[in-house]
Amino acid sequence: DGGITQSPKYLFRKEGQNVTLSCEQNLNHDAMYWYRQDPGQGLRLIYYSQIVNDFQKGDIAEGYSVSREKKESFPLTVTSAQKNPTAFYLCASSIGTGGTETQYFGPGTRLLVL
Amino acid sequence: GDSVTQMEGPVTLSEEAFLTINCTYTATGYPSLFWYVQYPGEGLQLLLKATKADDKGSNKGFEATYRKETTSFHLEKGSVQVSDSAVYFCALSSTGANSKLTFGKGITLSVRP
Repeated sequence: DGGITQSPKYLFRKEGQNVTLSCEQNLNHDAMYWYRQDPGQGLRLIYYSQIVNDFQKGDIAEGYSVSREKKESFPLTVTSAQKNPTAFYLCASSIGTGGTETQYFGPGTRLLVL
Repeated sequence: GDSVTQMEGPVTLSEEAFLTINCTYTATGYPSLFWYVQYPGEGLQLLLKATKADDKGSNKGFEATYRKETTSFHLEKGSVQVSDSAVYFCALSSTGANSKLTFGKGITLSVRP
């Protein structure tokens, strides 16, 4: 079955620690996205990538980093510079970024700070 | 910039009641409009979409019509079920080669038996 997988489902971060969230898709989509979801605030775009080896900052990129070395994978690192990382993180992909394409979402990773 | 405004929630309905969730938007040009649904503890799923004015998106008994004159994309369902309990997000995507989704804040729907 085609889809998007995210791991782990829950992740705990200690103060000053970097953590990496995994996102893999087997839909053969060119574009991938990372969103942060906080209660009552909808989804906010962190980073997106239209093609391998290229990515762009979204609306709230500070304290985060990404890589896109393979078409199927778009890992997100939450760095120690992100002072309020507790949130639900969602990865998505789409065929392209032309405006009419549907984004398909993974099941999410909940990040908690110890 | 682009923005999406959804009605305040939460909304609680009895089973078989009529549902309307309001959504209005601000955007330049002719955006595509989407409704996504999120069940507890899960990611988002596309519920329906419309890509041009006067288009009606429909799925699983839900409908929404793209109204450019009122910049609205209200979600409706004639008879809700307990299984429709979820969070509903309205979103828009502007036209162009580098478009991104802009989401509303979402609204929680609870349907009681």
